[in-house]
Amino acid sequence: NAGVTQTPKFQVLKTGQSMTLQCAQDMNHNSMYWYRQDPGMGLRLIYYSASEGTTDKGEVPNGYNVSRLNKREFSLRLESAAPSQTSVYFCARALETGVRETQYFGPGTRLLVL
Amino acid sequence: QKEVEQDPGPLSVPEGAIVSLNCTYSNSAFQYFMWYRQYSRKGPELLMYTYSSGNKEDGRFTAQVDKSSKYISLFIRDSQPSDSATYLCAMSEGSNYKLTFGKGTLLTVNP
Repeated sequence: NAGVTQTPKFQVLKTGQSMTLQCAQDMNHNSMYWYRQDPGMGLRLIYYSASEGTTDKGEVPNGYNVSRLNKREFSLRLESAAPSQTSVYFCARALETGVRETQYFGPGTRLLVL
Repeated sequence: QKEVEQDPGPLSVPEGAIVSLNCTYSNSAFQYFMWYRQYSRKGPELLMYTYSSGNKEDGRFTAQVDKSSKYISLFIRDSQPSDSATYLCAMSEGSNYKLTFGKGTLLTVNP
């Protein structure tokens, strides 16, 4: 799993419910990311955290919030889930310097919103 | 125009064939280029990483970058059924923390 763990693996929600997707890395890297992957859309960046204590919006941040709890953990929260948020969510980590753009992905969380 | 264009395929080849996967891009600021492999229902895994123009070889895989044409390629020699996956190109300017991905090409290598 490239040193990235994600929980849960699969989740079904009803519209309007909230949930938090958890991500943890064991490589002590500064940068962490959340993506969603949809058929025909590729990987789209939701939020990223360049270092502990900082977060920034990506391409599709609406409807999501993130928390960089510490260097190891980066969580993604859906406050009021919508069917459009049905997707596969991937967390990634990146090396701190030099090749920081080289990202390593977790196994993903499959989310179904009914 | 999308920043990164990648033919979605699907691409089906016989075992042992040479496979060529390609991406074009429009942002001349991209400097770092990557190829990821993604097996069904798994996360993307880094396959190749190159900086600027040129070739890089790793076993049966060769990555090429032509910045003048804004074109990158991944070649797979002696393709195996285990190479069957979706291949994603990705690139970055290097001045921020963001990758821009292609949509992926689905490859099937038939025994």
